Amino acid sequence: DAKTTQPPSMDCAEGRAANLPCNHSTISGNEYVYWYRQIHSQGPQYIIHGLKNNETNEMASLIITEDRKSSTLILPHATLRDTAVYYCIVRAFSGGGADGLTFGKGTHLIIQP
Amino acid sequence: DSGVTQTPKHLITATGQRVTLRCSPRSGDLSVYWYQQSLDQGLQFLIQYYNGEERAKGNILERFSAQQFPDLHSELNLSSLELGDSALYFCASSRRQNTEAFFGQGTRLTVV
Repeated sequence: DAKTTQPPSMDCAEGRAANLPCNHSTISGNEYVYWYRQIHSQGPQYIIHGLKNNETNEMASLIITEDRKSSTLILPHATLRDTAVYYCIVRAFSGGGADGLTFGKGTHLIIQP
Repeated sequence: DSGVTQTPKHLITATGQRVTLRCSPRSGDLSVYWYQQSLDQGLQFLIQYYNGEERAKGNILERFSAQQFPDLHSELNLSSLELGDSALYFCASSRRQNTEAFFGQGTRLTVV
């Protein structure tokens, strides 16, 4: 898997949009961008993933730059319950291969009341 | 609730002992992953099974082993336990290989 770079921590005011950046400058053409989060000591929670188009689901939006070297996860209206460590992971979707998701250190997002 | 069930939730045991952690994947998921999370190491991938077969190995110690049974549940066996094995152990499952994985709530193992 390609490496990712995320800021170690970020603050965001409750009710505002939280924008979490991720750099993945060595991403390969067959690698997807996945986002997970982990709320203190709970199991990591899948948020969203994408290849090159922007994606949106009920939790978040994922914006991937045209050159695919970076992406941004957007939580549109952050709440206190969104305080967590957010992990950006790039991962091949080859089907034939198999590997575990490689988690880095992530971004600790703190939502301020 | 992710649909992945791990038992037990907590386990306290002595050094040198052996324990078994159990994981029931989401209904219909064929792939199971095991992860270890200790305070100073972050989430470390241990091993993956797909439909009963081992598919990938990560940083799994030789004292640890796992298997996936015909009903697709999986067990992680940890033997000759050391203090440093104290950690959260997570299981995850996915529909196929390399699709999004869903995690259980983990087993907290304390070795004393």
